[in-house]
Amino acid sequence: QQPVQSPQAVILREGEDAVINCSSSKALYSVHWYRQKHGEAPVFLMILLKGGEQKGHDKISASFNEKKQQSSLYLTASQLSYSGTYFCGTGLHGSSNTGKLIFGQGTTLQVKP
Amino acid sequence: DTAVSQTPKYLVTQMGNDKSIKCEQNLGHDTMYWYKQDSKKFLKIMFSYNNKELIINETVPNRFSPKSPDKAHLNLHINSLELGDSAVYFCASSQRPETDRYGYTFGSGTRLTVV
Repeated sequence: QQPVQSPQAVILREGEDAVINCSSSKALYSVHWYRQKHGEAPVFLMILLKGGEQKGHDKISASFNEKKQQSSLYLTASQLSYSGTYFCGTGLHGSSNTGKLIFGQGTTLQVKP
Repeated sequence: DTAVSQTPKYLVTQMGNDKSIKCEQNLGHDTMYWYKQDSKKFLKIMFSYNNKELIINETVPNRFSPKSPDKAHLNLHINSLELGDSAVYFCASSQRPETDRYGYTFGSGTRLTVV
């Protein structure tokens, strides 16, 4: 039931791009993306709802393919501040009234100067 | 100004003890959650309350008991602590889960170490 994220870890140089994928075996209602820095709480980035939408947030954007039950997070022209662990949280059909999210195992992103 | 506050931030205790973690949110959200993050960073939902009503109760040992005196507070009491309970416990809140248009706001976490 837990979504699978790939890659598990990625190392970038400043200015490079990265893509983080999140795949579920269950029909999804929504996908959330969060970033957690070491020793801190996860911070909300964005939500995508069913309908195959795409969203942007500065140089971080995401897409949601409902049919494939997949979401991808795109980080362009990465900055040092992008370093951290990225989690996708999936809302399954039937869970929209509870707000329950099932999180992936996380992708550790390290941006080097 | 803190949106979701948890206390204590660190908790070190011996096996067999009983401890509580408190959580308060000032965002006016109706729904609050407890998540457990293990050493591999896996975030797993434990409980959720919507306006003081328990709506999610995952497969969690009976030693864990949540209490929500009002919609701004959600506490977690743990009896007979075991080594395996060592983890970071996050409280979170969200607005209008029915529309699922808003993300979670997490508290800063409570690092529980059982020795």
